[in-house]
Amino acid sequence: GAGVSQSPSNKVTEKGKDVELRCDPISGHTALYWYRQSLGQGLEFLIYFQGNSAPDKSGLPSDRFSAERTGGSVSTLTIQRTQQEDSAVYLCASSIGVEHEQYFGPGTRLTVT
Amino acid sequence: GDSVTQMEGPVTLSEEAFLTINCTYTATGYPSLFWYVQYPGEGLQLLLKATKADDKGSNKGFEATYRKETTSFHLEKGSVQVSDSAVYFCALINRQGGKLIFGQGTELSVKP
Repeated sequence: GAGVSQSPSNKVTEKGKDVELRCDPISGHTALYWYRQSLGQGLEFLIYFQGNSAPDKSGLPSDRFSAERTGGSVSTLTIQRTQQEDSAVYLCASSIGVEHEQYFGPGTRLTVT
Repeated sequence: GDSVTQMEGPVTLSEEAFLTINCTYTATGYPSLFWYVQYPGEGLQLLLKATKADDKGSNKGFEATYRKETTSFHLEKGSVQVSDSAVYFCALINRQGGKLIFGQGTELSVKP
């Protein structure tokens, strides 16, 4: 079946602009996760959803970052007023339940100029 | 808090050599343990998992055993191939579920 998909695959934006990153999880997966991968910080957890609610958003770096999930499916990660330090690969993952293995999408490479 | 520590890379091996990548963890309770692999230019793929003590996860010739007494989950392969060149990440999820906690990753380079 189809895996986790993310769009866009690449995004170049100017400092100060807002960006939206999209994630489509595997059908039937109730849990959805956002991570960030950057050279200096490795793999960092941002937020996860169980259904449409977010029990843990402790990894969001600042209030410029927000995420939502609707219909228990698609999720959007929004970064407002982007900064150069936001440049990274943003990874989305989904799982059948919160204790189970997570399957990752290909990521969105964000470059802030 | 929970954490994962991996041996530092890069690790460079000749084809058909034996591979070990060390991974130790700190966690409350009994986490599930995972190895993920990231091939050049690709996303993260689940390689193998173990959910309780003494479980052995295996896939594609790779193995790792959940050792509670030493809080370890070392990755091994008897004979590596050039195609195994990638970055390998050890990770855990604690029993409350939710986020994966990753080690820093170990880059493996296999030379013909």
